[in-house]
Amino acid sequence: NAGVTQTPKFQVLKTGQSMTLQCAQDMNHEYMSWYRQDPGMGLRLIHYSVGAGITDQGEVPNGYNVSRSTTEDFPLRLLSAAPSQTSVYFCASSFNGGSGNTIYFGEGSWLTVV
Amino acid sequence: AQSVTQPDIHITVSEGASLELRCNYSYGATPYLFWYVQSPGQGLQLLLKYFSGDTLVQGIKGFEAEFKRSQSSFNLRKPSVHWSDAAEYFCAVGSGVNNNDMRFGAGTRLTVKP
Repeated sequence: NAGVTQTPKFQVLKTGQSMTLQCAQDMNHEYMSWYRQDPGMGLRLIHYSVGAGITDQGEVPNGYNVSRSTTEDFPLRLLSAAPSQTSVYFCASSFNGGSGNTIYFGEGSWLTVV
Repeated sequence: AQSVTQPDIHITVSEGASLELRCNYSYGATPYLFWYVQSPGQGLQLLLKYFSGDTLVQGIKGFEAEFKRSQSSFNLRKPSVHWSDAAEYFCAVGSGVNNNDMRFGAGTRLTVKP
């Protein structure tokens, strides 16, 4: 059981470049989300989805786009990367959006924008 | 919105000693509380969670946490620390509505001395 899989694990971008962080889960979870982790700030929610075709903004959505065409996949797009987006990104999923459901995290994607 | 404070950024304990990591939350209603552990270069793994009922919650790897409503706290404890417990620990609080309202603390880094 692979759980939540993120690619790439490491990426260096130049300012203004675009890229997509991929996320896939094989647990048939309805709820998926993206967080960013910055030193001293814990994890902050970027975007989330409660099912295929449905997405919404979290705490820090600016500069990021998402889509959810299938239950399994939830890619995160950076349209024009900025140094402020240097961070560690985590994709996560849970059975549904109900609070209290265990959230399963991927191993993270380290992104550096120069 | 709910919030979480982890007062200790970094704690060092000797192997075999007891451990207590502090977590204070702010939320008007009964919170959903979680502790996650993150090993270097890895995603977050759920240690334990509290929804209701018994205020002392047992988790994996010998950890436990106690919910104290009067103190708005959910401290994590372990009676005897092992070198493999060295990691970063995150407390999180859910709003009781859905997972997209979950807020994480800034984390406490645990170092274990031999």
